[in-house]
Amino acid sequence: AQKITQTQPGMFVQEKEAVTLDCTYDTSDPSYGLFWYKQPSSGEMIFLIYQGSYDQQNATEGRYSLNFQKARKSANLVISASQLGDSAMYFCAMRETFRGSTLGRLYFGRGTQLTVWP
Amino acid sequence: DGGITQSPKYLFRKEGQNVTLSCEQNLNHDAMYWYRQDPGQGLRLIYYSQIVNDFQKGDIAEGYSVSREKKESFPLTVTSAQKNPTAFYLCASSILRTGVNTEAFFGQGTRLTVV
Repeated sequence: AQKITQTQPGMFVQEKEAVTLDCTYDTSDPSYGLFWYKQPSSGEMIFLIYQGSYDQQNATEGRYSLNFQKARKSANLVISASQLGDSAMYFCAMRETFRGSTLGRLYFGRGTQLTVWP
Repeated sequence: DGGITQSPKYLFRKEGQNVTLSCEQNLNHDAMYWYRQDPGQGLRLIYYSQIVNDFQKGDIAEGYSVSREKKESFPLTVTSAQKNPTAFYLCASSILRTGVNTEAFFGQGTRLTVV
């Protein structure tokens, strides 16, 4: 079974509009972390935002926010006021915190290609 | 500056040859990872290491080998047994801290092409 599912291969948004990128996950570990990364065409992986499974509040980092719905096992990324530079591949990832440590593997989804148009 | 350095950025290999991709980090991270990325695909884990002189296979370890003789270095060898090695390879590292989950840091990647 897929640990991370991103169902949107591609998304389009107009500049200055908000966009939501979907991510669902599968785990039985009560302690886990959820991450979003941005990958521009250059290939580098840029960390955007993190949400812990015990965090009560949704994570926010500037124009990025994570809509965390634990019961639904979803961790959608919301980008507000999109910019042309936001065009990139976006990956959702999860790490299970095995026995209270960070030794668990990091699982990635297939990614969503976001295109921002003027 | 602290970070992860992968080299080379581009690599060409003839069929039947082994090739080694370098990954060095000066972040004092315990864990290091190798991922493979194919066009339109996500990242697939090849190998990971949590401590010096120890490593575990990921989902697609066949045809690859690694070593972890030093904390800061985790080279990946693509052997001739790997049937389709042309791909983008990413190295990552992360800290290990009980009860705390932290992001992984990535290198710039190596694009391997078999000619």
